[in-house]
This record gives sequence, structure tokens and C-alpha cells, in this order.
Amino acid sequence: KQEVTQIPAALSVPEGENLVLNCSFTDSAIYNLQWFRQDPGKGLTSLLLIQSSQREQTSGRLNASLDKSSGRSTLYIAASQPGDSATYLCAVGTGNQFYFGTGTSLTVIP
Amino acid sequence: DGGITQSPKYLFRKEGQNVTLSCEQNLNHDAMYWYRQDPGQGLRLIYYSQIVNDFQKGDIAEGYSVSREKKESFPLTVTSAQKNPTAFYLCASSIDRTRATNQPQHFGDGTRLSIL
Repeated sequence: KQEVTQIPAALSVPEGENLVLNCSFTDSAIYNLQWFRQDPGKGLTSLLLIQSSQREQTSGRLNASLDKSSGRSTLYIAASQPGDSATYLCAVGTGNQFYFGTGTSLTVIP
Repeated sequence: DGGITQSPKYLFRKEGQNVTLSCEQNLNHDAMYWYRQDPGQGLRLIYYSQIVNDFQKGDIAEGYSVSREKKESFPLTVTSAQKNPTAFYLCASSIDRTRATNQPQHFGDGTRLSIL
């Protein structure tokens, strides 16, 4: 069974700092990896999706990379802002379903 | 705007009662999913459906039931057999698994279920 781990569980940074969130998975037979943002009491908002054949995707200040062979993905957030404060989750698509990590809770301090 | 609508936002269940959570999508997606989210845990899959009138159990299906009579709708019933139902329930959809390599999963805003 696919296991997805996110480190760190929580992160607090001053505004303007660049930061990296990590996601690792145990089975490299995935067809995509997706990064989501979740605000308190809300559903998940898709940020970036990387297909298994791709190495990275970029959207604005966000850049996600994928290394299937090592079972790792990173989400890079440039010039963090207080509005980036949320929980970030990664999910891998494998078999007939998606497997989720437990998330990283990010706080950006003004 | 296309999206997924979950209702109600908050739901309370009495002992021995079955309750049904609604999930409707207008994205024309074939695949739909129900997840449960507990504090400190990742999303766990309850049921999924890849086509009308067909659905499969996920990792934690015990105490839950679903139906998929229409493409747009995938209601979840939390039965009295589910002894610990208090959680945040999320519904999602995607085009379908076989063509989903470049298509994201879309989520509703969730239903929070509590025990009275």
C-alpha cells in the first residue's frame, strides 16, 4: 500500500522568506502527484499537478518538483506572504485512488 | 461556474441514526470520491465510483454506504454501524482514472459531522 509522508508537520517563517515543503512516497508507480492548499474548515484547493512523466510544474510563486525514482516531491514557495498561511497537502495518484499525506501547516508571520 | 457542492455544511447525528451527506458536481466528471479527514491524519478514502451504478470500497468503508444513480450525484450515508463518525467529510471528483494523468482532483467545501 502506498504511504505518503510530509515533513515538517508544521512550519513558521517570517514574511518574505523562501521555503520548501517536502513530500515522500513509498511506491514509485504513480501516474501523477498533486499539491493542495487547505484553509481551516474548508475543502482542498488544487495548486499544482505533476504528471509522472514530468519533473516540475510552476505557477506564479509556486514550483513543484517530482523525482519518482527516489519517491520525493518538493513544493517551493518564493517570497512568502501572510496569505500563504494554510495547510499544504500532497497526494499521489496510483492504482485506482489517490493517497494523501498528513500535511504541513504553514504560518507566515507578518 | 463548475464545481462540487456538498451539503449540509454542518450535520449532527443522534445515536442509532443514519444520516446522508450530499455531493453534487457539474464538471461532467466520471469519477467521484468520498474522504474522511480527522485531526492530525491525512485524508482516508471511504468509497469511490468511476461510473454510474458502480462503486468500490476504499480503505475505511465499514459503517458507510453510497449510491451512484446519476453521474452528477454521489451521496454518502453514515450508518449507525459507524461508531466514531465525528469527522470532516470531503467529496471529490476527477475526469476518470485512466485519463486522469494530467487532470486534477476537485474538492467540495466539506461537511462537518458531529455526534449529539
